[in-house]
Order: sequence, then structure tokens, then C-alpha cells
Amino acid sequence: KAGVTQTPRYLIKTRGQQVTLSCSPISGHRSVSWYQQTPGQGLQFLFEYFSETQRNKGNFPGRFSGRQFSNSRSEMNVSTLELGDSALYLCASSLGWPSGTGELFFGEGSRLTVL
Amino acid sequence: GQQLNQSPQSMFIQEGEDVSMNCTSSSIFNTWLWYKQEPGEGPVLLIALYKAGELTSNGRLTAQFGITRKDSFLNISASIPSDVGIYFCVPNSGYALNFGKGTSLLVTP
Repeated sequence: KAGVTQTPRYLIKTRGQQVTLSCSPISGHRSVSWYQQTPGQGLQFLFEYFSETQRNKGNFPGRFSGRQFSNSRSEMNVSTLELGDSALYLCASSLGWPSGTGELFFGEGSRLTVL
Repeated sequence: GQQLNQSPQSMFIQEGEDVSMNCTSSSIFNTWLWYKQEPGEGPVLLIALYKAGELTSNGRLTAQFGITRKDSFLNISASIPSDVGIYFCVPNSGYALNFGKGTSLLVTP
């Protein structure tokens, strides 16, 4: 079956702009999580959505937001971009607790560069 | 908050050597997962541990769930160049997985 699809794969923005990233989960998966990966901070949890509801949120400013649609596809948005937002943004899908074991299936990521 | 420590941070070894890495947490968990991320890819699950004391193998990889439920270990035997990547130990708290910084492994032929 098709894996997790993230678009776009690469993008370049300038400070102050906003960006929207998209994630299509594996068919049947209702949970979508977002992570930010940088060399200095590693892989940090942003938020998790299950059945269109945000269930958990990491320690990121309000400029980072997300949503999930009825077909489980998810988007995340970062407003007023800063240089430090340059990172690989990874989306992961799973069956979602309590249905599954918590195993996450990751996409290849969207690499954002902020100039 | 929960503290997760994974060590070592990086390893540079020769092909054929065995590798050991471990994770400790300040909290108790019911599940420990080990993921590997290769360059340019998202992390992929290697081994899942669901019971304290459990020892599970996946080919040359062996992982153990510590008896205290606060730690886990991963061993790779007879490493090969394709073992290169970042290895993450991930305790599962139900809603979110805390990946941390991982162990970066480099293997020279």
C-alpha cells in the first residue's frame, strides 16, 4: 500500500513569509503527527491529530499550527517565518492509540530553508 | 518533565564490529521502540518492545526492554556499511513519541 506522502519535498522562503506543508497518511491511518528535525535539536514533536482533533502539542510557539481533514490528510502551517525555522519537517501516520501500538510510519519530509 | 538520555551521541566504527547503544529515562514506560533514519529518509521502525525484560531480535539487531521499564538497549552485531544512520530509542507515552537526538552511526568498510 502507498506510504506517507509529503509535499512539497523542498522549498525556500524568506523571513516573515508563511508556509503550508501537506501530508497524506497511509490509507486507514487516523493519526498524523508532525516533527521538526534540525541538527542541533534532533527530532522534536510538534503536534498530533486524530480524527480531525489535535490531541497533543509539543513545545513550539503559536506560529506553528496544523489541522486534519475528514480524510485524515493533514497540513501544518508556519507563519512569520524565522531563520531558525529552517529544518526538515517530517509527517508520520499511525492507526493511533488506542487502536494501534504507537508505531509511526514516516514520510520523506519537507525540507524548508528560510533565507 | 520527562528526561531521555541516549548514548553514545555518535559512533565511528569499522565494518564487522559490534555496536551497543542505550537509552535511559526518568519515567516509566510500557513500550520502547527503536527507529533508524538513513540519510534523506524518514525514520523507520526496527524493533518494538512491549514487556519489561523482553529481548527481541531482528536479524543482526537485538534490543532489550529494561526490567525497571526506564531503559532500553540496542545491539548490532557484525556491522556493515548500510547500518549507517541515526538510531533513535523512543519510549511510547501513547499520544506522542519523544525521539530525542539519537545515536549517529558511521561504519567504514
